[in-house]
Amino acid sequence: DSGVTQTPKHLITATGQRVTLRCSPRSGDLSVYWYQQSLDQGLQFLIQYYNGEERAKGNILERFSAQQFPDLHSELNLSSLELGDSALYFCASSVRTSGGNTGELFFGEGSRLTVL
Amino acid sequence: GQNIDQPTEMTATEGAIVQINCTYQTSGFNGLFWYQQHAGEAPTFLSYNVLDGLEEKGRFSSFLSRSKGYSYLLLKELQMKDSASYLCASSDRGGYNKLIFGAGTRLAVHP
Repeated sequence: DSGVTQTPKHLITATGQRVTLRCSPRSGDLSVYWYQQSLDQGLQFLIQYYNGEERAKGNILERFSAQQFPDLHSELNLSSLELGDSALYFCASSVRTSGGNTGELFFGEGSRLTVL
Repeated sequence: GQNIDQPTEMTATEGAIVQINCTYQTSGFNGLFWYQQHAGEAPTFLSYNVLDGLEEKGRFSSFLSRSKGYSYLLLKELQMKDSASYLCASSDRGGYNKLIFGAGTRLAVHP
């Protein structure tokens, strides 16, 4: 158990719909990262937040948005869903210390989204 | 930009040794990670290299050459449970340690 919690674990929806994926980072971790993994593909970086602020953006579609709340949990919103959005969405967290850190990411178990 | 290359698939025999290579081209390099991922599960951390050389951790070792943009993961005494994907990832200093992953190497261990 990494300590990162993601909900829901599974989600089935139709094209054109909107869904929200939720992530609670490990206690004390300030950074949250979202990754998308399509079938038999690598992890594609979407977006990163640090202590409530967006820090880095990857190949995230305009139909997707995210935020990190004051309690440090994060949500990834996916709208106008298409068949190609079907994937595993992973959230990860890491701690940033004044002394530096390895940057190791701790991953949640993922939310499997199926768009029909 | 960042580019990470690793072989797509490898096979090996139980009890043997296998080396999975990774080459990378990144800006703001801040370390090289290896993760293990079983199908449908979350990636789990295996190793981290930021300085040149070999890091050993039990049956797993990882090597880094920053000048060559090259790393490898060495798995010894292979077990069936080592059948998984192995992900090479580069850390971006400018991106608050965001990790950019390669596509992964799917390792199949046979009896």
